[in-house]
Amino acid sequence: ETGVTQSPTHLIKTRGQQVTLRCSSQSGHNTVSWYQQALGQGPQFIFQYYREEENGRGNFPPRFSGLQFPNYSSELNVNALELDDSALYLCASYLAGGNNEQFFGPGTRLTVL
Amino acid sequence: EDQVTQSPEALRLQEGESSSLNCSYTVSGLRGLFWYRQDPGKGPEFLFTLYSAGEEKEKERLKATLTKKESFLHITAPKPEDSATYLCAVQAPGYNKLIFGAGTRLAVHP
Repeated sequence: ETGVTQSPTHLIKTRGQQVTLRCSSQSGHNTVSWYQQALGQGPQFIFQYYREEENGRGNFPPRFSGLQFPNYSSELNVNALELDDSALYLCASYLAGGNNEQFFGPGTRLTVL
Repeated sequence: EDQVTQSPEALRLQEGESSSLNCSYTVSGLRGLFWYRQDPGKGPEFLFTLYSAGEEKEKERLKATLTKKESFLHITAPKPEDSATYLCAVQAPGYNKLIFGAGTRLAVHP
């Protein structure tokens, strides 16, 4: 069984740039959620994708967008980066309709200068 | 508003000194309460899911319990390798988003 993987591990960008983060879901899972974790805080829900459509969103602006592909992998795109976007971005996957236990990837550390 | 509060924020234990971490929650219709362990710079590692009041689950030195208002993570005879941040999250109705607390940073010293 393959776990959740994310790429890249680390990323440094400057304010105003755009970034794309990638996530491969755990085998057998069909739903992917993205979370933002600031230093010393718990993860905050960004949005979720099921059947290639966004089906839930947290309190994040539209410059945070995503995609899910037929193989259930997913991308998180952030436009017009701001300093406060510096965080650990986590992807979690689970099987909708199952026990809903969400398993997380190792995260992507984004630093915005 | 759905909310999760964890206490204490930080806990320092001697090896072998048992203790408990608290997770208090308010949510409209609990679908599940999750405990995760997170090492610095890593993603959260799944530990337990609890679904109803009175439920208990154990894994090695860890035992999680659930009431209608809170959950406890009991750590028995901890070892230095148990040092990590322990996160609690509740799953709200609808699209299954997890609402996390800020975590408890546990340090176990030899």
